[in-house]
Amino acid sequence: AQSVTQPDIHITVSEGASLELRCNYSYGATPYLFWYVQSPGQGLQLLLKYFSGDTLVQGIKGFEAEFKRSQSSFNLRKPSVHWSDAAEYFCAVGAGAGGYQKVTFGTGTKLQVIP
Amino acid sequence: NAGVMQNPRHLVRRRGQEARLRCSPMKGHSHVYWYRQLPEEGLKFMVYLQKENIIDESGMPKERFSAEFPKEGPSILRIQQVVRGDSAAYFCASSPRDRVANVGTGELFFGEGSRLTVL
Repeated sequence: AQSVTQPDIHITVSEGASLELRCNYSYGATPYLFWYVQSPGQGLQLLLKYFSGDTLVQGIKGFEAEFKRSQSSFNLRKPSVHWSDAAEYFCAVGAGAGGYQKVTFGTGTKLQVIP
Repeated sequence: NAGVMQNPRHLVRRRGQEARLRCSPMKGHSHVYWYRQLPEEGLKFMVYLQKENIIDESGMPKERFSAEFPKEGPSILRIQQVVRGDSAAYFCASSPRDRVANVGTGELFFGEGSRLTVL
């Protein structure tokens, strides 16, 4: 079975600073990988996804992530954080089984942005 | 261009009552996932359904919980005889299908959730 680890529960960064959120996955084959963002009281919104091809993927709101097979990682990055980026971020892995993707989420990383 | 619609947004039940949560997927999506979210625990997969078919219910508790997605109407997550431990946010997501490969993409479009409080 697949699994996702997000080792950082909380991260605090200053506005304008760079950001990297860590994600490691466990799955026997090439997975589908996702990052989602959740604001308080809201559902989750897809930031970006990796299915195949270029290992550096661009997403919405200036985010990017890099798939590194050798490290089983899919870290999320942003060069300059804005106050509106404060939210909870979830990494997820989709593993194919019988023609559909079972999507498993990590426990999330809460991002605080200070002025 | 409606997204995934969940209702009710908030539901309060007393122990022993039944809770019914409804989810209408995005237009054109025929696959629905249900997840439960507890504070500090992320989202836990419960069940995946297609129209009139449960594909994977490996995350559903064996008792009191059931889900359906009828040919007509929304998907329903039903919790019978609720207990305080059922208090959580329940999220529904729908997903498109890759028409060429005929497999799910795993890309999920979420509703805003239904927050169940059991007194």
